[in-house]
Amino acid sequence: ETGVTQSPTHLIKTRGQQVTLRCSSQSGHNTVSWYQQALGQGPQFIFQYYREEENGRGNFPPRFSGLQFPNYSSELNVNALELDDSALYLCASSRDSLMRGYTFGSGTRLTVV
Amino acid sequence: DAKTTQPTSMDCAEGRAANLPCNHSTISGNEYVYWYRQIHSQGPQYIIHGLKNNETNEMASLIITEDRKSSTLILPHATLRDTAVYYCIVRVTYNNNDMRFGAGTRLTVKP
Repeated sequence: ETGVTQSPTHLIKTRGQQVTLRCSSQSGHNTVSWYQQALGQGPQFIFQYYREEENGRGNFPPRFSGLQFPNYSSELNVNALELDDSALYLCASSRDSLMRGYTFGSGTRLTVV
Repeated sequence: DAKTTQPTSMDCAEGRAANLPCNHSTISGNEYVYWYRQIHSQGPQYIIHGLKNNETNEMASLIITEDRKSSTLILPHATLRDTAVYYCIVRVTYNNNDMRFGAGTRLTVKP
């Protein structure tokens, strides 16, 4: 089975710009969660999508938004980028009927300058 | 989800057992204990989870105390490749809610 793939792996953006990060979930998984991981910290939950609907959101402003597509792949969009948005963005997929934990991608390293 | 407390860092000699503790004194009856690890520059990797019985798989063993207020992840024969940050998380699983990570324990396996 294929794992979770994220693109791009690295990205540099200027403050104020917009960015879209992409995630292909593992085959058979219908739930996607996005996390932000600042340097030296644990991942922080942004939001989760289940069957194309937002299914929970962490403490992130509305300029962080997302989409999930019928094939369960997902996008994370961040508008009006700030310097503090520089982080590793992780996507994780799971299946609602499974007890097993999430499968994470290797992340997208975003640098805002 | 309940909060967890883990030591910031630990060392272990290669080939020896690594025992990583986690306190979760406010855990609810329907919350599971999950362990993940994150090797440098990679996404977190699922290790094991349990409710109240001890669990073992090909990667590790999970020992949960009878009162469920603490647990220990055991890597029976640590190798250099086990050097990573280990996260203990408690959550209710049936509603497929998010996983809330703390700072974790940085385990360094030394030759």
